[in-house]
Amino acid sequence: AQSVSQHNHHVILSEAASLELGCNYSYGGTVNLFWYVQYPGQHLQLLLKYFSGDPLVKGIKGFEAEFIKSKFSFNLRKPSVQWSDTAEYFCAVNGGTSGTYKYIFGTGTRLKVLA
Amino acid sequence: DTGVSQNPRHKITKRGQNVTFRCDPISEHNRLYWYRQTLGQGPEFLTYFQNEAQLEKSRLLSDRFSAERPKGSFSTLEIQRTEQGDSAMYLCASSFRDGTEAFFGQGTRLTVV
Repeated sequence: AQSVSQHNHHVILSEAASLELGCNYSYGGTVNLFWYVQYPGQHLQLLLKYFSGDPLVKGIKGFEAEFIKSKFSFNLRKPSVQWSDTAEYFCAVNGGTSGTYKYIFGTGTRLKVLA
Repeated sequence: DTGVSQNPRHKITKRGQNVTFRCDPISEHNRLYWYRQTLGQGPEFLTYFQNEAQLEKSRLLSDRFSAERPKGSFSTLEIQRTEQGDSAMYLCASSFRDGTEAFFGQGTRLTVV
């Protein structure tokens, strides 16, 4: 079955620390990959997405992610986090050999940045 | 606001009652999705529509759940004979037909007492 795994459920960092959140997916075929963010009390918002081309994608607010096809991974990174990055982060996938356009989400990573 | 709109934002109901939620997607979007999210979990897929056609339903969606999108615009999600386990945030999202970025609404928080 198609699935998305996020290994870090809770992460606590100090401001200016570097961030890397892991995401692995189980899918066959061509996939589209996404990172969504949910700030406290707000709706899910797209952070960045990968469809094809350069496997290193840049998103909003200084975030980037690297697609490594051989590892079925799409890890999210930010060189220096800010207190305002405190939020929950979700990795999502669609596509695959079944051609489904439903988005499959991971369980999320709750990030807390200490000022 | 031209984003995805969901109503109501909160709903408290007694066990056994029926509830209906509404979602108004972004008007140009062909696809509309329903998800359920509980604390500490990611959004779980329930069903999706392309225009008025319901293309896929999750096995999570018991026969107490039904969704419609009668004119390919807004959608409703009905839960009959609610149970305490139905308590969750119900999210609606919409996207263009190519399956690119999905835009999410604020959700409807259901509490079954």
